[in-house]
Amino acid sequence: QLVQSGAEVKEPGASVKVSCKASGYTFTDYYVHWVRQAPGQGLEWMGWINPNSGDTHYAQKFQGRVTMTRDMSISTAYMDLSSLRSDDTAVYYCARAIPAATFDPWGQGTLVTVSS
Amino acid sequence: QSALTQPPSASGSPGQSVTISCTGTSSDVGDYKSVSWYQQHPGKAPKLIIYEVNKRPSGVPDRFSGSKSGNTASLTVSGLQAEDEADYYCSSYAGRNNYVFGTGTEVTVL
Repeated sequence: QLVQSGAEVKEPGASVKVSCKASGYTFTDYYVHWVRQAPGQGLEWMGWINPNSGDTHYAQKFQGRVTMTRDMSISTAYMDLSSLRSDDTAVYYCARAIPAATFDPWGQGTLVTVSS
Repeated sequence: QSALTQPPSASGSPGQSVTISCTGTSSDVGDYKSVSWYQQHPGKAPKLIIYEVNKRPSGVPDRFSGSKSGNTASLTVSGLQAEDEADYYCSSYAGRNNYVFGTGTEVTVL
């Protein structure tokens, strides 16, 4: 199970940090991916973190603005997105990655609203 | 990395079958056996229904099946039921540690 932090409202230019707490499995055994979905739009892959090593890889679109981290002591992954713009308004999901591009389960989603 | 192409909508009557395509390139769908499908009901998180092209997770009805030919993957829902009305997304590994989702298909049960 993956449980995410609550909804956030941010002003343009600010940063947001979303958490994703894992339970029911060994946190360090599986990568965690982040995916977002703008209102009425499709799913957009953002990147992943290896909770064991801390290694990360980000989609080119988000490089320089996104940082993924983890705290192994509390089985929690984090996604930090900076320099927020109105088009960053979306539901942000974390998902455990089973090998071969299989995402299961997903967190419940965190709505981030960027508005002045 | 461009999104995989899916038809915006598909529909069928209860009991009928509907097939959704997911077209990529030789650098993603065509090059890997790492295609998965997700079902998303309004306001809910996506749910895995097919992985590795044609495998079903435990608990997913066998009405759902997947296949792949060349650069196009397909999801077939047989014996449509009212609860199958949802959005469906494909996903593929795209090489160099990157992943990509499809544009999504809204399935309507008439």
